[in-house]
Amino acid sequence: DAGVTQSPTHLIKTRGQQVTLRCSPKSGHDTVSWYQQALGQGPQFIFQYYEEEERQRGNFPDRFSGHQFPNYSSELNVNALLLGDSALYLCASSSFRDGGNTIYFGEGSWLTVV
Amino acid sequence: GIQVEQSPPDLILQEGANSTLRCNFSDSVNNLQWFHQNPWGQLINLFYIPSGTKQNGRLSATTVATERYSLLYISSSQTTDSGVYFCAGNTGNQFYFGTGTSLTVIP
Repeated sequence: DAGVTQSPTHLIKTRGQQVTLRCSPKSGHDTVSWYQQALGQGPQFIFQYYEEEERQRGNFPDRFSGHQFPNYSSELNVNALLLGDSALYLCASSSFRDGGNTIYFGEGSWLTVV
Repeated sequence: GIQVEQSPPDLILQEGANSTLRCNFSDSVNNLQWFHQNPWGQLINLFYIPSGTKQNGRLSATTVATERYSLLYISSSQTTDSGVYFCAGNTGNQFYFGTGTSLTVIP
C-alpha cells in the first residue's frame, strides 16, 4: 500500500525564481491538501484539491497555485519566490468518499530560498 | 480561524518516565488527530480521536470534545519517542495545527 510520496525532498532556489513541488496521494485517496511549515511552527493550510479543482484556500497569496491531475496527483507552484517562502512543504491526502476524516502526510519537500 | 494551543512547548524526560501532552482548541473541531513529526519532517499519524479514549501500546489519547481539549499520554518513554508532537482538527476542509510539543527523551 503506497503512502503519500513527494518530490523533490530538498531543493534550493534563488529569490524571484519559481518552484514546482509534486505529490502522489496514498493509494485509494482522491483529495490532496498542501501545507507550509516554517521552522518551529505547526503546518499552515495552503489549499485543497478534489476532482481537479481547488476546494478551499488558506491565507496564502496568489503566488501559490496548484493543480490536480486525473490520477489524483498534485502539484504546488510558487512564483516570485521570497526568502520567507523557505519552509517544509507537506502534502496530505485523504478520501472524500470516506468523509476526509483522516489525513496522511508525505515526507515533505524542504525548500530553501537564497 | 481556530487557535490551537499545545502545552508544554518543550519537555525533557528521562527514559522510562511518563508524560501528558495537552491540546486546547478555541472552537469546536472535527476529526481531531495526533501526529508525531520525526527528525526528517514526516508527520506520522498516532491517533484519530474526535472523542473518547484510545490506546496503542505505550501511547493513549483522550478527547473531551465538549470542552475542546485532547490529551496524549506517553508511558515508559523511550529515546525513539523524541520529536515534535502535534494535534490538529478541522472545520471544513482545513486542518488547524498547534505549534507542537517538542519532546526529548534522554537515556
